[in-house]
Amino acid sequence: GDSVTQMEGPVTLSEEAFLTINCTYTATGYPSLFWYVQYPGEGLQLLLKATKADDKGSNKGFEATYRKETTSFHLEKGSVQVSDSAVYFCALSVKAAGNKLTFGGGTRVLVKP
Amino acid sequence: NAGVTQTPKFQVLKTGQSMTLQCAQDMNHNSMYWYRQDPGMGLRLIYYSASEGTTDKGEVPNGYNVSRLNKREFSLRLESAAPSQTSVYFCASSERPAEAFFGQGTRLTVV
Repeated sequence: GDSVTQMEGPVTLSEEAFLTINCTYTATGYPSLFWYVQYPGEGLQLLLKATKADDKGSNKGFEATYRKETTSFHLEKGSVQVSDSAVYFCALSVKAAGNKLTFGGGTRVLVKP
Repeated sequence: NAGVTQTPKFQVLKTGQSMTLQCAQDMNHNSMYWYRQDPGMGLRLIYYSASEGTTDKGEVPNGYNVSRLNKREFSLRLESAAPSQTSVYFCASSERPAEAFFGQGTRLTVV
């Protein structure tokens, strides 16, 4: 079946540090890939997406590139802020599976001033 | 600008009690979903409804039932709550495949 593996947290960083969260996947078909973010006390929000190989998704300074050869979709941000403290979820969907989302376990990120 | 609204936000149940979690969306989306979130396990799909009048099981449907009351509303029912159902429950809706909008969640504790 489809699955998503992402690095366990928590990841603790200082403000302005570089953030990377690793995400790898296995999928029975050709997946679309997503990063969702969950701020404290809230539901998940779509952060960025990529629908085909070599696509780069970007939003709010975050970027992730769809790497089919390594089945990866790592999330990066060059300079984090305290407001980036949240839980980040990598996810995939496959059209043949009804486009349902399959999530990784989530990575908690804490940015300290 | 409501989006997806879930009620209640918090609930404590005794083992064996029943309850219904309510979800409504105002974005005219066809698809709606119920997930549970447990520490270290991400979100797991319980049930989903691809369109009004249809429902299907997800990854972890045992112990739950759902009703797609109309296009806006999708409820999740626990008939006989068990401690293993202690979790945070999220409702979501989508129009484009897999680009889901989530509610704020219901934190359920079963004692």
